[in-house]
Amino acid sequence: DQQVKQNSPSLSVQEGRISILNCDYTNSMFDYFLWYKKYPAEGPTFLISISSIKDKNEDGRFTVFLNKSAKHLSLHIVPSQPGDSAVYFCAASAFTSYNTDKLIFGTGTRLQVFP
Amino acid sequence: NAGVTQTPKFQVLKTGQSMTLQCAQDMNHNSMYWYRQDPGMGLRLIYYSASEGTTDKGEVPNGYNVSRLNKREFSLRLESAAPSQTSVYFCASRDGTGVGLFFGSGTQLSVL
Repeated sequence: DQQVKQNSPSLSVQEGRISILNCDYTNSMFDYFLWYKKYPAEGPTFLISISSIKDKNEDGRFTVFLNKSAKHLSLHIVPSQPGDSAVYFCAASAFTSYNTDKLIFGTGTRLQVFP
Repeated sequence: NAGVTQTPKFQVLKTGQSMTLQCAQDMNHNSMYWYRQDPGMGLRLIYYSASEGTTDKGEVPNGYNVSRLNKREFSLRLESAAPSQTSVYFCASRDGTGVGLFFGSGTQLSVL
């Protein structure tokens, strides 16, 4: 059973516009959420995170929004750049609540930013 | 500044063969992980080690064994490889204070 879901396998956005990547989760015990970016032939790299005590976290062009009641989070990239073209993974953990080291990933969304 | 190093980068096995994927990190992290990435399946946790001397199963542990040799090294062994184990394998680590994982560059494994 997939606990973290990314229902859009791909997204295409024009350069300069906003990219919105979505993620849903089923486990209400998750208390920390992360986004990773992956280029071909490389390992995923950490992008941005959010704790369940917050509903928004911003880092430059990247903002993550968390809606706990809907068990939904989203990553906004504004403005989108061609270098943002990659696969984006949403991930969730219960690090704080359960002191567990497990990090569960979604299936990923491939973002393509075109000129 | 190596971070997380995985070897080999590519490997082709025949069904039934065994092999060990090596992983080492130089960041003095306590926790280490093995994930596999398959199309449409995302990254799935195989095994993890919260500290030296401990290992725990993840989501898809069947067909694999692990060894946390010391704080730096965490190996993944396939005793009898199967075509279903064709995948890209990633090793990762994290320290006790941060929640983000640092990943290696991956091992592309094909089992024929």
